[in-house]
Amino acid sequence: AQTVTQSQPEMSVQEAETVTLSCTYDTSESDYYLFWYKQPPSRQMILVIRQEAYKQQNATENRFSVNFQKAAKSFSLKISDSQLGDAAMYFCAYRSGGATNKLIFGTGTLLAVQP
Amino acid sequence: GAVVSQHPSWVICKSGTSVKIECRSLDFQATTMFWYRQFPKQSLMLMATSNEGSKATYEQGVEKDKFLINHASLTLSTLTVTSAHPEDSSFYICSAYILSGEKFGPGTRLTVL
Repeated sequence: AQTVTQSQPEMSVQEAETVTLSCTYDTSESDYYLFWYKQPPSRQMILVIRQEAYKQQNATENRFSVNFQKAAKSFSLKISDSQLGDAAMYFCAYRSGGATNKLIFGTGTLLAVQP
Repeated sequence: GAVVSQHPSWVICKSGTSVKIECRSLDFQATTMFWYRQFPKQSLMLMATSNEGSKATYEQGVEKDKFLINHASLTLSTLTVTSAHPEDSSFYICSAYILSGEKFGPGTRLTVL
């Protein structure tokens, strides 16, 4: 069975600084997708970034980028120029390559942004 | 685009009553929807996968007779918590499968007195 591990329950970053959130996963599949979701205090889940396993190039979305190390099964999220609005719970998630397979979530990392 | 709504956003009910939560895809059709439960400061726990026109697939340990799921159309899935008890109090989130991932609803906070 696939598992997702987030080893940092809490992280803190100064406004305008850079922070990296860690995520590792375990799978025997070759076709899968990885995601980072953000859950602010409103509790609305928001997709931050998505990575297809077959793509070697790391995904980027504005200030958010990932470091995808397929052999090491690592999928970290880097947030550059951190803003107060980035404060949230961040979940790493895995999904098999099938069309409608379920998401498997990590336990989350609570990110605080200090002004 | 790809908005998912949930109704109600917050519901309080008495122990022993049933509560229905609706999940709608507003501007797209969702063949597959998912229902999650989330306790405070914890991750999302998948309860069931809801497929339009067929029976839902429940995760291990989830009582299908207690958490009734109906996905009668391509834009609506409902979760009914039957004979609710205080331990059912939680935050319930639905999502709809889309190509780029899952689109989540805003969640429903259920409080059972």
